[in-house]
Amino acid sequence: KQEVTQIPAALSVPEGENLVLNCSFTDSAIYNLQWFRQDPGKGLTSLLLIQSSQREQTSGRLNASLDKSSGRSTLYIAASQPGDSATYLCAVRGSNDYKLSFGAGTTVTVRA
Amino acid sequence: GAVVSQHPSWVICKSGTSVKIECRSLDFQATTMFWYRQFPKQSLMLMATSNEGSKATYEQGVEKDKFLINHASLTLSTLTVTSAHPEDSSFYICSARPVVDTQYFGPGTRLTVL
Repeated sequence: KQEVTQIPAALSVPEGENLVLNCSFTDSAIYNLQWFRQDPGKGLTSLLLIQSSQREQTSGRLNASLDKSSGRSTLYIAASQPGDSATYLCAVRGSNDYKLSFGAGTTVTVRA
Repeated sequence: GAVVSQHPSWVICKSGTSVKIECRSLDFQATTMFWYRQFPKQSLMLMATSNEGSKATYEQGVEKDKFLINHASLTLSTLTVTSAHPEDSSFYICSARPVVDTQYFGPGTRLTVL
């Protein structure tokens, strides 16, 4: 069974600092990995999706890397802003089905 | 495009009653829909996979008689929590998968059982 772990569970930084969020997974036989943003009491917004054959994806201030062999992904958010405050979830899709396995998330607070 | 809605967004009910939650794909057809449950500070846990026109596939430990899922059309799936109890209070999120390879998530439904 795929286990997804996110460290740290919470992070508080001053505005302007770069954020580094970590995700690890136990089964390297994945189809893709996705990072989501979740605001309190809301659904999920997809940020970046990395296919298993890719090493990284970039969108604006966001960059996500994937090292499938070691079971790790890192989400970088450059020049953080208060609007980046949210919970960030990592989800892995297995290679044999469409199911997503989620981590518990990292709750980010960016202080103005 | 690719919008998924859920109704209601928030519901409070008495213990022992049943609650129905709807998940709709507004601008695409979803061959598969998924139902997740999320407890505070925890990750989303997949409850069941719903394919249009067939019975849902439930994850281990999820009671199919308690969480009834119906996927009657390519744009609508419903989750009914039967005889709800306080421990069923949670945030329920659905997602919908069109033919292309991705999932689009709904905004979630907050269920509180008194």
